[in-house]
Amino acid sequence: NAGVTQTPKFQVLKTGQSMTLQCAQDMNHNSMYWYRQDPGMGLRLIYYSASEGTTDKGEVPNGYNVSRLNKREFSLRLESAAPSQTSVYFCASSDRQFEAFFGQGTRLTVV
Amino acid sequence: GDSVTQMEGPVTLSEEAFLTINCTYTATGYPSLFWYVQYPGEGLQLLLKATKADDKGSNKGFEATYRKETTSFHLEKGSVQVSDSAVYFCALFFNAGNMLTFGGGTRLMVKP
Repeated sequence: NAGVTQTPKFQVLKTGQSMTLQCAQDMNHNSMYWYRQDPGMGLRLIYYSASEGTTDKGEVPNGYNVSRLNKREFSLRLESAAPSQTSVYFCASSDRQFEAFFGQGTRLTVV
Repeated sequence: GDSVTQMEGPVTLSEEAFLTINCTYTATGYPSLFWYVQYPGEGLQLLLKATKADDKGSNKGFEATYRKETTSFHLEKGSVQVSDSAVYFCALFFNAGNMLTFGGGTRLMVKP
């Protein structure tokens, strides 16, 4: 069972570069989420998508964009990376019972 | 807005000790409550949940009871093992907001 798959697992960017983090789920979930995890800060919601074709801002959306390409895929784009975006990024999806399933994470370093 | 507050860690215990990790929340209405666990290098996994007041969630020897009167969902285990060493996150889901809100996480270290 694949569950939630994120790519890449690790990435180093230079300040100003752009990149897209990919996420796909095979559980037929309507809701998908992007979180970032920083030491001592827990998980903070960047963006979420309650259903295909809709996206909404979370707690820390600045500097990010998202695309809900279809029901399976939800990507996160950094247009111009900054050192403050160094973090571990997690994608998640959830079912009607609100249980969230998480990917393994992407460790991003911006130098 | 909705928020979750957890006790700060790290919590260091000896094997077979009793564990309590406190969690309180602020929310309008009646959210669903969760505990997630994150093992080193991995994503979060659901540990247990409770969807209404007085419900008790349990899994792998861990328990937590949804206390509406004290807005709390404390995690307990009677006898911890070294393999329980991980970071534990309390979370709430409020359907109207369609967002899962997490506490800051509590690192547990269990020594043999």
